[in-house]
Amino acid sequence: DVKVTQSSRYLVKRTGEKVFLECVQDMDHENMFWYRQDPGLGLRLIYFSYDVKMKEKGDIPEGYSVSREKKERFSLILESASTNQTSMYLCASTAYGGADTQYFGPGTRLTVL
Amino acid sequence: AQSVTQLDSQVPVFEEAPVELRCNYSSSVSVYLFWYVQYPNQGLQLLLKYLSGSTLVKGINGFEAEFNKSQTSFHLRKPSVHISDTAEYFCAVSEGAGGTSYGKLTFGQGTILTVHP
Repeated sequence: DVKVTQSSRYLVKRTGEKVFLECVQDMDHENMFWYRQDPGLGLRLIYFSYDVKMKEKGDIPEGYSVSREKKERFSLILESASTNQTSMYLCASTAYGGADTQYFGPGTRLTVL
Repeated sequence: AQSVTQLDSQVPVFEEAPVELRCNYSSSVSVYLFWYVQYPNQGLQLLLKYLSGSTLVKGINGFEAEFNKSQTSFHLRKPSVHISDTAEYFCAVSEGAGGTSYGKLTFGQGTILTVHP
């Protein structure tokens, strides 16, 4: 069974802290994605990666960075957390291109105080 | 660039009634279309997808969707809902054949389906 795991289900951080969210997939997928989910806005793409060490900005990259040192692992970094980054963060992976199903992790609910 | 609009933010319905969740999209290129479901406190999982061929697509849990190219719509339907169908439903698009988007999805705003006994 395919699996995408995220390091934490719930996280509480203070403004200005550096925050790491980690995602691991066990399907040998090429592409990995980070989305944030907010009520009434659906899911919005932050960053994605199509290969190890390769990344591209999504629709809302400001305030975030990413790292993909190994194929199975994709990290989202908040360099200096702010209250407007309080949200649900979802990681996903897919094998190749647009026709393939994206598989999602359970999400990390981040609260920044 | 693509955009997706889900026309209803909330849909309340009684158990065993039919339901339709509406989705319209806009794109300058051909697209693939998806419906995902998110049950409470879970990630998203695929309900169904349209890639090509027959415009009526059947998915899991008795759901189906119809692709209408002229109306740029991809509405989701179920003839008889259950309490367990209570969830949030997302319509999404990705670039179609020949695209170089690596499978990026553009999502709609989501529709919360609540099934009442």
